[in-house]
Amino acid sequence: DAKTTQPPSMDCAEGRAANLPCNHSTISGNEYVYWYRQIHSQGPQYIIHGLKNNETNEMASLIITEDRKSSTLILPHATLRDTAVYYCIVRSPNTGNQFYFGTGTSLTVIP
Amino acid sequence: EAGVAQSPRYKIIEKRQSVAFWCNPISGHATLYWYQQILGQGPKLLIQFQNNGVVDDSQLPKDRFSAERLKGVDSTLKIQPAKLEDSAVYLCASSLGGGMETQYFGPGTRLLVL
Repeated sequence: DAKTTQPPSMDCAEGRAANLPCNHSTISGNEYVYWYRQIHSQGPQYIIHGLKNNETNEMASLIITEDRKSSTLILPHATLRDTAVYYCIVRSPNTGNQFYFGTGTSLTVIP
Repeated sequence: EAGVAQSPRYKIIEKRQSVAFWCNPISGHATLYWYQQILGQGPKLLIQFQNNGVVDDSQLPKDRFSAERLKGVDSTLKIQPAKLEDSAVYLCASSLGGGMETQYFGPGTRLLVL
């Protein structure tokens, strides 16, 4: 399974875009990039996922580099409720489609 | 649509005691997962069910942990006897199938073993 590397913590001003990076340099062609977040005392919440193309939904945008070795999750207008731990996960059909969570990035949105 | 339900939300026990956690997945979801999340770490998969059959339990400490999913809906996770290092949040998740479908997580049960 491809490993991911994320910064342990980041700050973002309320109302500004939050850009969370993730490195997955050993990703294989059939492996997806997923993002989840976990607000304090809650279960992880699905945000977005992608394979090659950039993706956007009502919560966020996912930008995957052309070589697929890194990606960035973008929260366009961060609010205080976006304060959470964000997990970047590479999901592989070769390992039963399981999620292997790392330690994630702790994002703090500052008023 | 109702989410994944778990109970209890909190449990405090002494070491060597037994404890059980319950999970009710989203209606219609065939696949159910139990994760263990130790403080400061990401969740780690313990066991995966497809309907009422076990797909993967390679990370489950089978000398003390057991899980079942009778009738392919609700599931229980049991620890007997508990150790101090079992203190963690136990998360249940479900998905429509076992492929690339999104997993939806419950709120978790926070266990403290004294």
